[in-house]
Amino acid sequence: DAKTTQPNSMESNEEEPVHLPCNHSTISGTDYIHWYRQLPSQGPEYVIHGLTSNVNNRMASLAIAEDRKSSTLILHRATLRDAAVYYCILRDIGTGANNLFFGTGTRLTVIP
Amino acid sequence: DAGVIQSPRHEVTEMGQEVTLRCKPISGHNSLFWYRQTMMRGLELLIYFNNNVPIDDSGMPEDRFSAKMPNASFSTLKIQPSEPRDSAVYFCASSVWPSGDTEAFFGQGTRLTVV
Repeated sequence: DAKTTQPNSMESNEEEPVHLPCNHSTISGTDYIHWYRQLPSQGPEYVIHGLTSNVNNRMASLAIAEDRKSSTLILHRATLRDAAVYYCILRDIGTGANNLFFGTGTRLTVIP
Repeated sequence: DAGVIQSPRHEVTEMGQEVTLRCKPISGHNSLFWYRQTMMRGLELLIYFNNNVPIDDSGMPEDRFSAKMPNASFSTLKIQPSEPRDSAVYFCASSVWPSGDTEAFFGQGTRLTVV
């Protein structure tokens, strides 16, 4: 599986935007970029995913570099509830493989 | 739909005992994953099924661990015999396969403590 690299931790002030980076230099043409987050004492939850174009949903935005070797998850206004570990994952649709591997993720701390 | 349902939520057992964790995936999902999470090792994928068939069990730590999916609505993860180092939170997740373009949904987890 193509690997992803994320910073171990980041901090943000409440109500400010947060940009969480992810590098995936070995991404293949059939890899989707997925983001999940895990709030304290909960299971991971889906945030957003994309293939080539930038994506927006009610939770966040996903900005994908033109060469697809990196992406950025954008939280437009961080709240205390957004404090979590954020995981960037690649999922391949081309081979039919269905493994969903989590790395170490980025621990986001939101400062009141 | 109630989401992915795991039971029990908490389990405390003595070393050497058999432990069975249960998972009910979301109706219509044909792919199911089992994970283990510890502080030391993070979130590890143990095994996953597509259409009730185990596809990759390379993450299963030892022969003491086994997983089954007898039908589309139920899966079990069994540890026999259990050891203190098996203490962890075990998560089950389900999704639609092929799944590059779909999301996975996780249960609330089972916290296992082996004493």
